[in-house]
Amino acid sequence: SQQGEEDPQALSIQEGENATMNCSYKTSINNLQWYRQNSGRGLVHLILIRSNEREKHSGRLRVTLDTSKKSSSLLITASRAADTASYFCATRGGKLIFGQGTELSVKP
Amino acid sequence: EPEVTQTPSHQVTQMGQEVILRCVPISNHLYFYWYRQILGQKVEFLVSFYNNEISEKSEIFDDQFSVERPDGSNFTLKIRSTKLEDSAMYFCASSPGDLGFFGQGTRLTVV
Repeated sequence: SQQGEEDPQALSIQEGENATMNCSYKTSINNLQWYRQNSGRGLVHLILIRSNEREKHSGRLRVTLDTSKKSSSLLITASRAADTASYFCATRGGKLIFGQGTELSVKP
Repeated sequence: EPEVTQTPSHQVTQMGQEVILRCVPISNHLYFYWYRQILGQKVEFLVSFYNNEISEKSEIFDDQFSVERPDGSNFTLKIRSTKLEDSAMYFCASSPGDLGFFGQGTRLTVV
C-alpha cells in the first residue's frame, strides 16, 4: 500500500534547535504532504511537495523529496514550544495515506 | 478563512446503536473524505466521495458504514450497529484537488 512511515516516532528537543523528521513510502506518488496535529485536534496541512520537486520552503519549514529513495524529510528550524505536535506525512496517489506520525516535543 | 466543520465534537453512544457524523465541507471543494484515528494510532482512510458517489473505500469501510451528501452542503458518515472498536476520532476532509482540509473531528465513544 502507499503508506508513509515516519521516523523517529518521537523526538524531544530544546527550543531553538532544529527538528528533522523523515518519511518513507512504498509506491509512486503524485505528491507528498506534511500535516501537523495538535493533541486531540484536527490535522492542519503544512506543505505539499510534488513528485517533480526536490525541495520546498515555507517559513521555518523545509521539505525535501527523493523519489528514487521514496523518502522525504521535514526540517523545522529554530523550533518553538508551540511546534510541539504530531507530524504526519501523507502520500497522494489518489487518496491521502498517512503514516504513523512523529511526536515532536519542544521544551522551553 | 473557509474551514471544514464537523458536528458533534463528541458523541457517546451505546453499543449497537446507529450514529450519524456530520460534516460541512468547504463550499467549492469537489472531493470529500472520511478518516478515522483510533487513540494513539495513525490516521486511517475510510472513504472518498466525488461526483456524488464513492470513489474509493478502504477495507475498514464495510457494510456497517455509509456516506451521503444529502444536500449541497452536508456530508455525513453513518455507522450502523456500533461496536466498541468503533470508538475513535473521525475526521472529515474536503479538497479542491491536492491538499486535504480537515475538520476538527468528532470523538466517538461507544460504551
